Amino acid sequence: DAKTTQPPSMDCAEGRAANLPCNHSTISGNEYVYWYRQIHSQGPQYIIHGLKNNETNEMASLIITEDRKSSTLILPHATLRDTAVYYCIGHRGSRSGGGADGLTFGKGTHLIIQP
Amino acid sequence: DTAVSQTPKYLVTQMGNDKSIKCEQNLGHDTMYWYKQDSKKFLKIMFSYNNKELIINETVPNRFSPKSPDKAHLNLHINSLELGDSAVYFCASSQDRGGVGTQYFGPGTRLLVL
Repeated sequence: DAKTTQPPSMDCAEGRAANLPCNHSTISGNEYVYWYRQIHSQGPQYIIHGLKNNETNEMASLIITEDRKSSTLILPHATLRDTAVYYCIGHRGSRSGGGADGLTFGKGTHLIIQP
Repeated sequence: DTAVSQTPKYLVTQMGNDKSIKCEQNLGHDTMYWYKQDSKKFLKIMFSYNNKELIINETVPNRFSPKSPDKAHLNLHINSLELGDSAVYFCASSQDRGGVGTQYFGPGTRLLVL
């Protein structure tokens, strides 16, 4: 998996958009950018992933720069329940022979939503 | 229905004992994983199984032995438990068709070795 760099912590006011940056300058062409989060005492939760194009789902939007060296996860209207550690991971997904590699989790960004 | 479930949720045991943690997924996924999260919150892959066959075995002591009786289950057996084995163990699964393997995690098993 590609090495990623994220700020250790961020604050955001409730109801505002939370923008979480990630640098992944060494990402390979076949590696996706994945975002997961871990709410206190729970298992990691998948949020979104993308390869080249920007992506949006019911949880978040993912903006990937054209050179793929960085990305931003956007939570459009943050709530208190979005307080969690957010992980940006470069990952190739499945192997050609079947199965997949494990995810390489870094330290992530601890996002704190303030009331 | 819970997609990825683990039992037990909490496990407290004495050093030197042997224990097992069970994981089941009802998503029909091909690959299952075990991760370990230590006291400093670092989350690391331990094992990966695809269709009951071991794919990845990271640098894990051979006291840890994963067993997959079928595609929906991946159990973790730990022999001669040590204090340093205290951690939260997460099971996960993924469907790997089409090159994208989004992983879904269980709630974790909190192991404390005394």
